[in-house]
Amino acid sequence: GAVVSQHPSWVICKSGTSVKIECRSLDFQATTMFWYRQFPKQSLMLMATSNEGSKATYEQGVEKDKFLINHASLTLSTLTVTSAHPEDSSFYICSASALLAGVQETQYFGPGTRLLVL
Amino acid sequence: DAKTTQPTSMDCAEGRAANLPCNHSTISGNEYVYWYRQIHSQGPQYIIHGLKNNETNEMASLIITEDRKSSTLILPHATLRDTAVYYCIALEYGNKLVFGAGTILRVKS
Repeated sequence: GAVVSQHPSWVICKSGTSVKIECRSLDFQATTMFWYRQFPKQSLMLMATSNEGSKATYEQGVEKDKFLINHASLTLSTLTVTSAHPEDSSFYICSASALLAGVQETQYFGPGTRLLVL
Repeated sequence: DAKTTQPTSMDCAEGRAANLPCNHSTISGNEYVYWYRQIHSQGPQYIIHGLKNNETNEMASLIITEDRKSSTLILPHATLRDTAVYYCIALEYGNKLVFGAGTILRVKS
């Protein structure tokens, strides 16, 4: 159980275009999903927390107008990188929070989406 | 959440137990110890978590000292596929996961 998928797994786009990344919890419902970014040789950095049916909460320094997050259902959250530029090239990873056989919610991560902006 | 300290890297022979230490001397009573790992170019994978009792699942065992100031993740029979970055995180319910640098575990044949 607790499988999270992301689509696409990798994407190459031209500078100035927008890219949408989907994150799905396949076998559980997640009221909260998270979006992370990871640059080469660095650790994961939380970008935003997404709750179903409400606006996302962004971490300091993350532009909410550039990284649009929609959490329309309990199994789907999307991240849209608007007007992408080469410096947005990174590994984007989502996670979904689940309470499975325990009292503490645990985050389960998707496989990641590698974005390359030319 | 409490800061954790892990060695930068470790090597382990294939088939042997891999013991990954983590210090969390300022951990509070409400904070769990979580372990994740990240294999190259993949999303992190949940391994195990615990509060104060030792825990075991199909992937690993987690040994937490009685004073809760440190813990050890044990992979009983390491394989080459266990080569990854292992993250130890102290987390209170409702708070955000904060990833440090972790420990690079290299399993060698």
